[in-house]
Parts: sequence; structure tokens; C-alpha cells
Amino acid sequence: RKEVEQDPGPFNVPEGATVAFNCTYSNSASQSFFWYRQDCRKEPKLLMSVYSSGNEDGRFTAQLNRASQYISLLIRDSKLSDSATYLCVVNEGPMNNNAGNMLTFGGGTRLMVKP
Amino acid sequence: NAGVTQTPKFRILKIGQSMTLQCAQDMNHNYMYWYRQDPGMGLKLIYYSVGAGITDKGEVPNGYNVSRSTTEDFPLRLELAAPSQTSVYFCASRLDRGAYGYTFGSGTRLTVV
Repeated sequence: RKEVEQDPGPFNVPEGATVAFNCTYSNSASQSFFWYRQDCRKEPKLLMSVYSSGNEDGRFTAQLNRASQYISLLIRDSKLSDSATYLCVVNEGPMNNNAGNMLTFGGGTRLMVKP
Repeated sequence: NAGVTQTPKFRILKIGQSMTLQCAQDMNHNYMYWYRQDPGMGLKLIYYSVGAGITDKGEVPNGYNVSRSTTEDFPLRLELAAPSQTSVYFCASRLDRGAYGYTFGSGTRLTVV
């Protein structure tokens, strides 16, 4: 079983639509959570961190459900420029072991926003 | 502030050749990482470092070596290049563990023929 799992998609949505992605993680000791965006042939870039209380940045809302071990990303009013692959990223370890030294990436969910 | 700088951006190697991929960061980050990403696939960790003089293997270290003599630099060495090492290589850095995310370099696109 993968540590961080995402639906690979693609999600094909029209401009203006609302779209949501989920991501599940297997390690209950995971401490920190992020969403990254990766455009084709480019490096991943941090979209937002995910906090326990949930957080919003403009059209983007991230939620964390520790009990069910999943993270979600909601994009409202989709733009053509939102077309990209969205990576769910988890810091798996607690602060006092090596697993916390690196982030674990999901395989990504591809979003295509159509005119 | 340049962030994470990778050189070269593109390279074609012949089978059996060697090369070093350079990575430098100017953010005084302690943690540095090398990932590879094959077409249509996810990121795989090759090596990482938690500070100068300390390196550790990731998921796919075979065929690669690293060193971390300074906080700023984390070069990745490919010895005896093979076609299976054709990939995009990303270097990343992070201030510390915990709630800090990665900053990635723009990548090196390597083809081994």
C-alpha cells in the first residue's frame, strides 16, 4: 500500500466549475501536510500548507481529517491556468525519528480545465 | 535571492559516461534532497542530507553518489550512466523538518543514449 494515495485523474472540468481532490495517507504519525502544484515539465511549487483547522487562500481551500487520514483540496471558480498536476505531500514522521527528515509525495492528480 | 539553482538544465550522456549534477541553495537551508521523476510518474527520492557532512540514501540510490561539504551545495554524481537513468532530476531544500515544505530547483533533464 502506498503511503500517500491520490486519484491520478485526469479531472476534466469546465471553466468556472468547482473541483475537489482527496488524498489519503497511511501513517497516523504524520505531522505536516501540503499541496504542491506541478506544471508540465516544471518543478513542483508549494500551493499551500494544510492546517488542522483548515485553511483558505483565495479560490483554494484545504482541509485535514486526521481521524480518517485524508486531506482535501477544493478549487472554486476554476481557471484555465489551474490546469496542472496537484501533489499531496505528507511529512510522515514524528519529530524524533528519521522518517520526519523527508516529505512523502503522492503520485499527483491531474486537472484539466476546459474553456 | 536565487533559491535553489540547478545546473545544467539539459544534458545528453552516452552510456558509460559520468557526470555531476550541481545544486546550490542560498537560503541557509539545512536539508537538501535529490529526486528523479520519470515521464508521467511521481517523484522518487535518491539521496538526502540533513546538514553538511551528513548524507543518507533514499528510495533509489543505486548508480548515484552525493556529497555535502558545505551547507550550500549538494552535487549528485552519476557514475557509468545507463539508459535507465534517463529522467528529470530535481534538487530541493528545506530549512528544517516539521512544518517546512520544500523549495525545488528547476530541474535537470538528462538523457542517456
